[in-house]
Amino acid sequence: GAGVSQSPSNKVTEKGKDVELRCDPISGHTALYWYRQSLGQGLEFLIYFQGNSAPDKSGLPSDRFSAERTGGSVSTLTIQRTQQEDSAVYLCASSFFQGGDTGELFFGEGSRLTVL
Amino acid sequence: GEDVEQSLFLSVREGDSSVINCTYTDSSSTYLYWYKQEPGAGLQLLTYIFSNMDMKQDQRLTVLLNKKDKHLSLRIADTQTGDSAIYFCAERTGGFKTIFGAGTRLFVKA
Repeated sequence: GAGVSQSPSNKVTEKGKDVELRCDPISGHTALYWYRQSLGQGLEFLIYFQGNSAPDKSGLPSDRFSAERTGGSVSTLTIQRTQQEDSAVYLCASSFFQGGDTGELFFGEGSRLTVL
Repeated sequence: GEDVEQSLFLSVREGDSSVINCTYTDSSSTYLYWYKQEPGAGLQLLTYIFSNMDMKQDQRLTVLLNKKDKHLSLRIADTQTGDSAIYFCAERTGGFKTIFGAGTRLFVKA
C-alpha cells in the first residue's frame, strides 16, 4: 500500500492479557516510530527504530512494553499483562531520512486499544 | 530533557486569524513542525521550519520561530470552519527523534 498500515484498528481486551499491535511502514522508509495518544496526555513518544541502529526505547512507560522491527520493515508493539491505563490509540509513523531531508513523519490511522 | 508545551484549546470566529503557540526545551532542535489531525483521521504534516529561520509563510499559514525564547507559533489567516482540528507542535531533536506537544484543539465558530 501507499501509506502506513496498522492493525488491528480496534482491539478490546481484558486486563492482564497480552496484546500485539502491528505496523507496516511505507516501503523504503528507514525510520519507524510508535506513539501513544490518550486523553489528557497528548501524543506520547514510545520508541523509534532507524535502520540497523539500536532502537531508542526511552519513551516506553514500563517493562511490560516492548517492540521489535523485523527485516527493517514491519514492526510489532507488544504490551504484556495489559492494564486499564494502557487504553489509548497507538500510532505508528515512518520516515525516510537522508541528508537535508525535513524528517516528515507519515502516520497510520492508529490502533485503538481498550482494556476492560 | 525534551518537552513541548502548547495550550489545549483555542476558539475563534470564522474569518478571524488564529494563533497557536508552542514552547520547547531542546535548544539543539533542527526542525520544528506543525501537524494537523482532523476528526477521525491520522496526523498530517501542515508545515515546518528549519531552526536557522525566523519566519516561514505558506499561503494562509505563517510560522514564527523565536529561537532565543524557544517559542514557535502558527498563524492561520482567514480561519475557516474546515480548519477545525487538533494542531500539534513538534520538534526534531538530535538524531531522528521527534517529540510532540499535547495538541491544541481549534474550534472555528461560523
